Amino acid sequence: EAGVVQSPRYKIIEKKQPVAFWCNPISGHNTLYWYRQNLGQGPELLIRYENEEAVDDSQLPKDRFSAERLKGVDSTLKIQPAELGDSAVYLCASSSRQTGVSSYNEQFFGPGTRLTVL
Amino acid sequence: AQKITQTQPGMFVQEKEAVTLDCTYDTSDPSYGLFWYKQPSSGEMIFLIYQGSYDQQNATEGRYSLNFQKARKSANLVISASQLGDSAMYFCAMRSGGSYIPTFGRGTSLIVHP
Repeated sequence: EAGVVQSPRYKIIEKKQPVAFWCNPISGHNTLYWYRQNLGQGPELLIRYENEEAVDDSQLPKDRFSAERLKGVDSTLKIQPAELGDSAVYLCASSSRQTGVSSYNEQFFGPGTRLTVL
Repeated sequence: AQKITQTQPGMFVQEKEAVTLDCTYDTSDPSYGLFWYKQPSSGEMIFLIYQGSYDQQNATEGRYSLNFQKARKSANLVISASQLGDSAMYFCAMRSGGSYIPTFGRGTSLIVHP
């Protein structure tokens, strides 16, 4: 079974340029997450989708970030325009449908996209 | 609010020895779940082990075990018989309070010496 696929793996852009990241989750996984991981930190959730609906996006900087999951499968995260502080690794993860908070529900992560903004 | 603290920025262990990675958490919700992930240099986060707040026994998965001390709010990861391939960053995470959003700690870098 294929894991979570992300592309590109690396991206270098100049500030004020747009950039987009793509994620294809594990087949059959309803829930998709986008995380940002700054250097020396743990991942922080940007947005969570249940099928095509964004259900947790309070941490997404909506002035410059946007995300979509039109058919409830793959997803795109966009930054426009990029700023120096956006340099980070952007991780995508997926899981099967969420049940209780304290129940076991493993998230499978992709390899991430390392973004460098110059 | 939920908080995860990992106080060890780096740990060193000899191959074949056991190592404990510390994690303390803070939440006022009685229902929560604790996770440990491994992040090798390749970048992906690999799930290792899960402990629910109502679980009666400490979780174990192969060489990984979770030393869950509820009263102390600690969830330390124990890796037995360390292998060179265990060298990686290790993150403790928690979900609580009806939120599906996990909070991650800052991570601990583990280096296994031959």
